[in-house]
Amino acid sequence: GAVVSQHPSRVICKSGTSVKIECRSLDFQATTMFWYRQFPKQSLMLMATSNEGSKATYEQGVEKDKFLINHASLTLSTLTVTSAHPEDSSFYICSARGGQGANYGYTFGSGTRLTVV
Amino acid sequence: GENVEQHPSTLSVQEGDSAVIKCTYSDSASNYFPWYKQELGKRPQLIIDIRSNVGEKKDQRIAVTLNKTAKHFSLHITETQPEDSAVYFCAATSGTYKYIFGTGTRLKVLA
Repeated sequence: GAVVSQHPSRVICKSGTSVKIECRSLDFQATTMFWYRQFPKQSLMLMATSNEGSKATYEQGVEKDKFLINHASLTLSTLTVTSAHPEDSSFYICSARGGQGANYGYTFGSGTRLTVV
Repeated sequence: GENVEQHPSTLSVQEGDSAVIKCTYSDSASNYFPWYKQELGKRPQLIIDIRSNVGEKKDQRIAVTLNKTAKHFSLHITETQPEDSAVYFCAATSGTYKYIFGTGTRLKVLA
């Protein structure tokens, strides 16, 4: 089946530093990648949608200069949290469209738990 | 844009009983409605989905119903088991493929 590999699974960083999260589609081409953020005991909130080779589309309230998304190839998308602050601590998860056989099938990455200290 | 509401936020049932989770959506253009199960710290897993041209779909102990007129859809789990305990999310999407998730339901199955 379709697999999306997400790394790292956990990261702790200091305030003010940047963290990069990678998502790779291992056996299919992900033309569209969605990035979600999930705070404890809350739902998945869509942050941005990225299409290979073009600029990401950010949801209202998400700072594009803080959450840099790069989708340079059909198998790799990255999210960089710049100048991280404790309030950015969250579970970040990517999802790629395609690979499940259904027209709308999503394949989720395993998530990254970011802790900013 | 689309807005998805989900109820209840928590649900406790005795093992063997049924559980029902309901979602409503606002965008009449939405045409695909998946349900996900998420265990603590793990990725959401698709458990069942339904398209707008179908009113009901069943897969063993899990079923989903859709009422397009009322814009609501429900997840039904019968003969619940302790391993069904998790957080369940509904979602809705249209041709943009952008999923809007409900707020989640924490299901506890009591042995």
